[in-house]
Amino acid sequence: QQQVKQSPQSLIVQKGGISIINCAYENTAFDYFPWYQQFPGKGPALLIAIRPDVSEKKEGRFTISFNKSAKQFSLHIMDSQPGDSATYFCAASTVNDDKIIFGKGTRLHILP
Amino acid sequence: DVKVTQSSRYLVKRTGEKVFLECVQDMDHENMFWYRQDPGLGLRLIYFSYDVKMKEKGDIPEGYSVSREKKERFSLILESASTNQTSMYLCASSLTLAGGGSPLHFGNGTRLTVT
Repeated sequence: QQQVKQSPQSLIVQKGGISIINCAYENTAFDYFPWYQQFPGKGPALLIAIRPDVSEKKEGRFTISFNKSAKQFSLHIMDSQPGDSATYFCAASTVNDDKIIFGKGTRLHILP
Repeated sequence: DVKVTQSSRYLVKRTGEKVFLECVQDMDHENMFWYRQDPGLGLRLIYFSYDVKMKEKGDIPEGYSVSREKKERFSLILESASTNQTSMYLCASSLTLAGGGSPLHFGNGTRLTVT
């Protein structure tokens, strides 16, 4: 029940296309859903996060869509660029928890 | 900007050696974490600490221990390194509760090879 399932494991998208990464969770107590971005040779960094009181959050070309009833959330990268090539991790937590649960990651490659 | 510094970028150790991985953060964060990252397995939490001298086991604590004697420093210890501990190790810190929206700030990792 503590798992966060992420798909796909890897993704190749043409420059200018839309990249979509999906995550699903079981624990209905989760109420914080961040996405982390990791470039080669670097540690992950917070990209964008959402709470379940909204169904969508947008920051520039990055959008999180959240479906509470389906217990799913996804990251959409619009107009994908080669500089977006990285590993993306979804995660989930409860508000009073010290730690967050990560998905297994998606390696995204944007073709130039 | 928060800086989390891991003392070594690459480390090669022999089976049975005692290994210390050091991590220092410069922003007075309460919480510190050690993760290992393996292909296809994502980020797995080994241990975390929410205060000096306090520690909590994560998902995969076996074969590891930690030490937090000062707020800014969190050490991961492999008491007797084994080849299955070859991995990328990532240290992170957060100001307060990570679940409460306090971002994790990661170091750039230590790639440990045990031969």
